[in-house]
Amino acid sequence: GEDVEQSLFLSVREGDSSVINCTYTDSSSTYLYWYKQEPGAGLQLLTYIFSNMDMKQDQRLTVLLNKKDKHLSLRIADTQTGDSAIYFCAEKIPRGSTLGRLYFGRGTQLTVWP
Amino acid sequence: SAVISQKPSRDICQRGTSLTIQCQVDSQVTMMFWYRQQPGQSLTLIATANQGSEATYESGFVIDKFPISRPNLTFSTLTVSNMSPEDSSIYLCSVSSGGETQYFGPGTRLLVL
Repeated sequence: GEDVEQSLFLSVREGDSSVINCTYTDSSSTYLYWYKQEPGAGLQLLTYIFSNMDMKQDQRLTVLLNKKDKHLSLRIADTQTGDSAIYFCAEKIPRGSTLGRLYFGRGTQLTVWP
Repeated sequence: SAVISQKPSRDICQRGTSLTIQCQVDSQVTMMFWYRQQPGQSLTLIATANQGSEATYESGFVIDKFPISRPNLTFSTLTVSNMSPEDSSIYLCSVSSGGETQYFGPGTRLLVL
């Protein structure tokens, strides 16, 4: 199946690290993604990881992938109030002759308290 | 990354009417997609817009309700036909050039009364 699960809410204090978790079910995923959606905006691609990798770091963002457990996480270091948003996990699954389509989780609402 | 614009950004419509949403990209892209995001829900793929041929619809979505055009590699439209309050959603255009990245437009926020 193509179920992608995320916890719905996370609250952290400014300056702390945030860890947003995601689980998926389809082992044929080629890429896994994190998107950010701020209020009233579209989705911003934050980062993505190839399914054969287990970690990717990009400035304050660290993505960890445990392919055996089908678990993806996004760690935001030194979380700021501007990081408050909804974070979507997505997996790309190959389909037919195309590179595949994305399946999204329901999103995690991150609230950062000053 | 591609810069994507959508028109209108938001609208309030009466039930039974239709609304056409436009998506414009600043560069030629291979793939264009239309998604729906219902309140508090995840994103659902409506269809893939194919240039020069009929769109490919996902299960649960039909051409009569959501006609799509894609006349060239930078532009697509989605029409929401015979609207009901259940069609109130955010409609998002998304593009990819066949690689690993896929980008989204700012969305069109639709409220049907």
